[in-house]
Amino acid sequence: GAVVSQHPSWVICKSGTSVKIECRSLDFQATTMFWYRQFPKQSLMLMATSNEGSKATYEQGVEKDKFLINHASLTLSTLTVTSAHPEDSSFYICSAREGLAGVNTGELFFGEGSRLTVL
Amino acid sequence: KQEVTQIPAALSVPEGENLVLNCSFTDSAIYNLQWFRQDPGKGLTSLLLIQSSQREQTSGRLNASLDKSSGRSTLYIAASQPGDSATYLCAVSWGYNQGGKLIFGQGTELSVKP
Repeated sequence: GAVVSQHPSWVICKSGTSVKIECRSLDFQATTMFWYRQFPKQSLMLMATSNEGSKATYEQGVEKDKFLINHASLTLSTLTVTSAHPEDSSFYICSAREGLAGVNTGELFFGEGSRLTVL
Repeated sequence: KQEVTQIPAALSVPEGENLVLNCSFTDSAIYNLQWFRQDPGKGLTSLLLIQSSQREQTSGRLNASLDKSSGRSTLYIAASQPGDSATYLCAVSWGYNQGGKLIFGQGTELSVKP
């Protein structure tokens, strides 16, 4: 299957700082990427849909000014957690698919996740 | 509201046993359904993808079935092994024009005892 890479795999930061997480599709062009977060012992919750060259679409209840998403190229999307607080500590996972933006074309591939701990 | 539910939440079986994991979803007008495996602290590994027009998919010891009319999918694992221990997640995509976002179930935590 296709490979999606996330970096960093883990990060610890102080409260109030901003943290950027990268999601890259290594062997295909991803017109659409999705960002999820996962709390311990819970399932994945979709945060936002990122389409290359346009603004991200956020799910209800997700603060777009808190979680900045940039999808500037066909192989890279970034999630920046701004002014992070302890309640933002979570496992963030990105996924990507090949194909036309906004159109459901099949299988999603997931990154290995990034564990954020805010002290 | 489009939701995905998985039961049981946890399952423990002896090695060699065949087992079934269940997934149910509201709104039968799905586009596709995907089963994933997640090891502790890790990302997701895609196991099987079933398109809405399909009834089942098989990969090795895994078989996933789909019954849209009843809003259900099952993942069958044959001859379970300790290495199968992980959390199994079912995820559903609705709508061709929704860009393929997946809604996940809560997962079933499987433990296979040697």
